[in-house]
Amino acid sequence: AQSVSQHNHHVILSEAASLELGCNYSYGGTVNLFWYVQYPGQHLQLLLKYFSGDPLVKGIKGFEAEFIKSKFSFNLRKPSVQWSDTAEYFCAVNTGANNLFFGTGTRLTVIP
Amino acid sequence: DAGVIQSPRHEVTEMGQEVTLRCKPISGHDYLFWYRQTMMRGLELLIYFNNNVPIDDSGMPEDRFSAKMPNASFSTLKIQPSEPRDSAVYFCASSSTESLSYNEQFFGPGTRLTVL
Repeated sequence: AQSVSQHNHHVILSEAASLELGCNYSYGGTVNLFWYVQYPGQHLQLLLKYFSGDPLVKGIKGFEAEFIKSKFSFNLRKPSVQWSDTAEYFCAVNTGANNLFFGTGTRLTVIP
Repeated sequence: DAGVIQSPRHEVTEMGQEVTLRCKPISGHDYLFWYRQTMMRGLELLIYFNNNVPIDDSGMPEDRFSAKMPNASFSTLKIQPSEPRDSAVYFCASSSTESLSYNEQFFGPGTRLTVL
């Protein structure tokens, strides 16, 4: 069965620090990959997605993610975080059917 | 478009009571998903519909849970009888197979359910 692993449950950073959140999935076929963000008290919003082409995907608010097929990974990065990036981040994988498999999420706390 | 609409936003009820959560997907979307979010288990897919037909309900925890989609613009998730362990945030999401955002799901604001 497909699964998505986010090994970092809670990350605490100071403003301006660089961010990398890990995401690994288990599925051998073609995948579509997503990162969603959930700000405190709000619903999930799409941050970025990968379907095909350039494995380095740029999303909103300065976020980017790199798809490394050989490592089954889709890590999220941001060179310099802001206090407003405090949120929970979810990696998700689609394997062809129209449903998504979500990771358990990583809570990011940015200290001003 | 107003996005995915869910009601109520908050629900507090007592154990044993029936709870009905409502969702209006984005107009024109042909997929609708119900998720449950808890601290312990994260975001879990409960059930999803395509063109109002349930496709996969394997995530529905037990018979106390049921979901319907009588038409393309409305779905309900019902819990009867409710139990304290059902306390969670329930999200509805919708997507379209005919848009450039294929497989991107648009989430509603969620219903925070507390069962006392």
